[in-house]
Amino acid sequence: AQSVSQHNHHVILSEAASLELGCNYSYGGTVNLFWYVQYPGQHLQLLLKYFSGDPLVKGIKGFEAEFIKSKFSFNLRKPSVQWSDTAEYFCAGAYSSASKIIFGSGTRLSIRP
Amino acid sequence: DSGVTQTPKHLITATGQRVTLRCSPRSGDLSVYWYQQSLDQGLQFLIHYYNGEERAKGNILERFSAQQFPDLHSELNLSSLELGDSALYFCASSPPKENTEAFFGQGTRLTVV
Repeated sequence: AQSVSQHNHHVILSEAASLELGCNYSYGGTVNLFWYVQYPGQHLQLLLKYFSGDPLVKGIKGFEAEFIKSKFSFNLRKPSVQWSDTAEYFCAGAYSSASKIIFGSGTRLSIRP
Repeated sequence: DSGVTQTPKHLITATGQRVTLRCSPRSGDLSVYWYQQSLDQGLQFLIHYYNGEERAKGNILERFSAQQFPDLHSELNLSSLELGDSALYFCASSPPKENTEAFFGQGTRLTVV
């Protein structure tokens, strides 16, 4: 069955630290991958997406993600986090065979000012 | 603003009651997804409609039903409500392209008392 997993449930960083959030997806045919962010009390917003091509994708707010097919991974990175990056981050996959977007359990990011 | 409109924003109702949540997708989008977000279950996929037809079903209880109307708006009906149904219900829409990203509404916060 198709699935998306995020291993870090809660990450705490200081401002200016570098960020990497893990995401793994299961094999299930063609899959398009996404990272979403949910700021406190708000809806999910798309940070970036990967369909094909260059495995390093850049998104909004300085985020990027790298698709590594051999590891079934799509990790999210940011070189220097800010207090305003405090939010929950969701990795998601849209499998061609499933007709749905499957979300990971989310990673809560807390930034110490 | 994602362009996806959900009403109402908040709903408080008693156990055993029935409620209807409404979603208007972005202009031009044919797909509507419904998700339930609770603290202990994360973001759970409920159902996906495409141009009026059900495309995929997730962990949707039999007490819950949905439909998408000819004008493409969608409604999620929740009946015989239980305390455990208290959650945020998100609607998302996506363009008429396979496995593309979804844009989320602000959600309806349902509280069952």
